[in-house]
Amino acid sequence: GAVVSQHPSRVICKSGTSVKIECRSLDFQATTMFWYRQFPKQSLMLMATSNEGSKATYEQGVEKDKFLINHASLTLSTLTVTSAHPEDSSFYICSASLLAGGYTDTQYFGPGTRLTVL
Amino acid sequence: DAKTTQPNSMESNEEEPVHLPCNHSTISGTDYIHWYRQLPSQGPEYVIHGLTSNVNNRMASLAIAEDRKSSTLILHRATLRDAAVYYCILRKSTSGSARQLTFGSGTQLTVLP
Repeated sequence: GAVVSQHPSRVICKSGTSVKIECRSLDFQATTMFWYRQFPKQSLMLMATSNEGSKATYEQGVEKDKFLINHASLTLSTLTVTSAHPEDSSFYICSASLLAGGYTDTQYFGPGTRLTVL
Repeated sequence: DAKTTQPNSMESNEEEPVHLPCNHSTISGTDYIHWYRQLPSQGPEYVIHGLTSNVNNRMASLAIAEDRKSSTLILHRATLRDAAVYYCILRKSTSGSARQLTFGSGTQLTVLP
């Protein structure tokens, strides 16, 4: 159980175009999903927290107009990279939290989406 | 969340046990110790977590020092598929709301055949 999927797994796009990445919790409902970004040889950096039915909370330095997040249902969150540029090329990873007993939360991660902007 | 310190890299021979250390000297009483690992080109994977007592699951064991200022993730028999970056993360107990994970640099585990 607790499977999170992402689509697409890999995308190559031209500079200036927009790319949408989907994150789905397949067998549980997630009121909160997280979006991370990981550059080569670096650790994961949180971009934003996505709450179902409300606006996402962005980390400092992350442009909310460039990285649009929608969390329309309890099983789906989307990240749209608008007007992508080569510096946006990265590994984007989502996660969803499964609360257990109300005292601690385990996060389950998607397999990631490799974005390459030419 | 309190800070953790891990070695940058470790090596192990296949089918031998591996002990991955983590120091967390500023841990508070409500901090859980979580371990995740990330295989190459994949999202992180939950491994184990604990509060005070040692924990075992099908993937690994977690040994927590009595003063909780350090912990050790134990892989009982390393396989080539265990080669990954292992992250030790402290999380305060939550009630009703989820919070993001703060990833440090982790330990790159290399398993030698």
